[in-house]
Amino acid sequence: AQSVAQPEDQVNVAEGNPLTVKCTYSVSGNPYLFWYVQYPNRGLQFLLKYITGDNLVKGSYGFEAEFNKSQTSFHLKKPSALVSDSALYFCAVSPGANNLFFGTGTRLTVIP
Amino acid sequence: NAGVTQTPKFQVLKTGQSMTLQCAQDMNHNSMYWYRQDPGMGLRLIYYSASEGTTDKGEVPNGYNVSRLNKREFSLRLESAAPSQTSVYFCASSALPGEGYEQYFGPGTRLTVT
Repeated sequence: AQSVAQPEDQVNVAEGNPLTVKCTYSVSGNPYLFWYVQYPNRGLQFLLKYITGDNLVKGSYGFEAEFNKSQTSFHLKKPSALVSDSALYFCAVSPGANNLFFGTGTRLTVIP
Repeated sequence: NAGVTQTPKFQVLKTGQSMTLQCAQDMNHNSMYWYRQDPGMGLRLIYYSASEGTTDKGEVPNGYNVSRLNKREFSLRLESAAPSQTSVYFCASSALPGEGYEQYFGPGTRLTVT
């Protein structure tokens, strides 16, 4: 069965500090992994994806994610957090042609 | 270029009423999707359309029907609304129906069924 786990409902980080939002997955075959961000009362916005190749993927707004096959993880990172990064972050895995399985989301709060 | 648009933004229904949620995309995407978002549960796929003329069930299709009207438009219908269908509904589209294609989301419709 395909699944995505985001073990932290809430992450708080001080502005300027590095941030990490964790994601682990379970999928048969090669995983296709995504991160999305949702701002209040808005739809989800695509941040980045891992398909194949380099384990470190760079995306929008200075975010990056590291794919670790042995740990089945795809953690989202940013070297220096901004207050404007405060939002709800979703990890998703695509096991097949027409489906995305989403994690339950992690609310990131960046404290000024 | 508006991306993915949804109407209405908000709706309140009484149990048993019907309604149709509209979605349109102007990115010439082939695939379109309907999700629902509930607190603590992430997003769950209701129905999808891999290409114009095709539709398929997702994870939670019961109580819903869809129509892919043309390449741009994909509607979601609730024939007899139930309180369990209170949720935020998102439409999304992607260029092609493949694992590597990211989806683009509309702003959502907040539906309350009383």
